[in-house]
Parts: sequence; C-alpha cells; structure tokens
Amino acid sequence: RKEVEQDPGPFNVPEGATVAFNCTYSNSASQSFFWYRQDCRKEPKLLMSVYSSGNEDGRFTAQLNRASQYISLLIRDSKLSDSATYLCVVNWGRDDKIIFGKGTRLHILP
Amino acid sequence: DAGVIQSPRHEVTEMGQEVTLRCKPISGHNSLFWYRQTMMRGLELLIYFNNNVPIDDSGMPEDRFSAKMPNASFSTLKIQPSEPRDSAVYFCASTRRTQGNTIYFGEGSWLTVV
Repeated sequence: RKEVEQDPGPFNVPEGATVAFNCTYSNSASQSFFWYRQDCRKEPKLLMSVYSSGNEDGRFTAQLNRASQYISLLIRDSKLSDSATYLCVVNWGRDDKIIFGKGTRLHILP
Repeated sequence: DAGVIQSPRHEVTEMGQEVTLRCKPISGHNSLFWYRQTMMRGLELLIYFNNNVPIDDSGMPEDRFSAKMPNASFSTLKIQPSEPRDSAVYFCASTRRTQGNTIYFGEGSWLTVV
C-alpha cells in the first residue's frame, strides 16, 4: 500500500456545486494531517490543517477518520478560483517525515 | 519575513554536467526538505534534515544525487552527472520541528537537462 494515496482526478465540477475528495494513508502512527493547494507552475501552499474533530474554514471542511486511515476535503459552493490541484499531506510523526500525495486535480466549470 | 529562497529559478544544462541547487530556509526553522515534482511521479521527498543533520535520504534516486546542509541557513542539492530524466521541478521546504507546524515551500528550481 502506498504511503499516501489520492484519486488523481480530474474532477470536473460545475461552479456552485459541492465536491469532496478523500486521501488514504498507510502509517497508523501518523499524527498530523494537512491539505495543500497547488496552482499550475506554482509551489504548494497550505490550505488547511486537519484536526481529529474535523474543522471548517469558510467553504472548506476537512475531516479525519483514524480508524479507516483517511482524511477528506469538502468544498461547498465551488468557485472558478478553486480550480487547482489539492495535495494531501501526512506528517509521519516522530521524525517529522512529511509525505505528500500525488494530488487531485479539480476543474471548476463555468 | 522572507520565505524559503531557492536558486536558480530556472536552469537548462547539458547531459553530463553538474547541477547545484541552493536553498535558504526560513529563519528559525530547523527542518528542511528537498522534493522533486514531475507529472508522472508527483511530489517525491528526496531527503530531509533536522537541525542540519540528514534524517532520511531514502528518496534520493541514486548516487548521482547528494545533499548537504552545512549550517542552519543553507542547503544544496547536487546532481553529478545530470541526465535528461532528472528534468523536474525541485522544491525546497522548511518548517519548525513542532507538531502541526506548517511546511513552507520555495518557488522551486525548474531544471531541464538536454
């Protein structure tokens, strides 16, 4: 099983719709989780951390399921500017090894 | 505050030449990461340092790749000799070694080996 796995997409979603993607991780000892966003030809940037109880930031909701070892990202009322690649990030813990998924490409259609 | 600074931003070199990529992490950060990104393989962790010490270099593709961190404010990634399959974007990133701290990326070094 790969360390961090994501559906590569692309997800083609009409503007205003709700979209969700998951990410699975193999190391049950993982302690920190994040979603990053990467625009074309740019560096990845933090979108939001993922907390055990789930957390929300405006239109974005992140959740963690430790039992099944996955995290999720939900985007409500999607905007054209949400088009990007979304990277799942897992901190392996003790040695702070930070592993990225390959990303899920999202295209918001007008 | 200055972010992670990488140089060069773009480099085109001929196969067989030595390539050196440079990185200055954010001041106060004590973990530094080198990643390589290609369309096919995504973002791959090559090596990372904690307090200037290499912790895990299992992602370094082969002996042609080497990385150093002589002090807390500088790191290099060297490829010698370079090959066309090394063409990629190389990102340097840094963070403060505390649970949950954000990892910050440089703008990347775009390498093309012809």
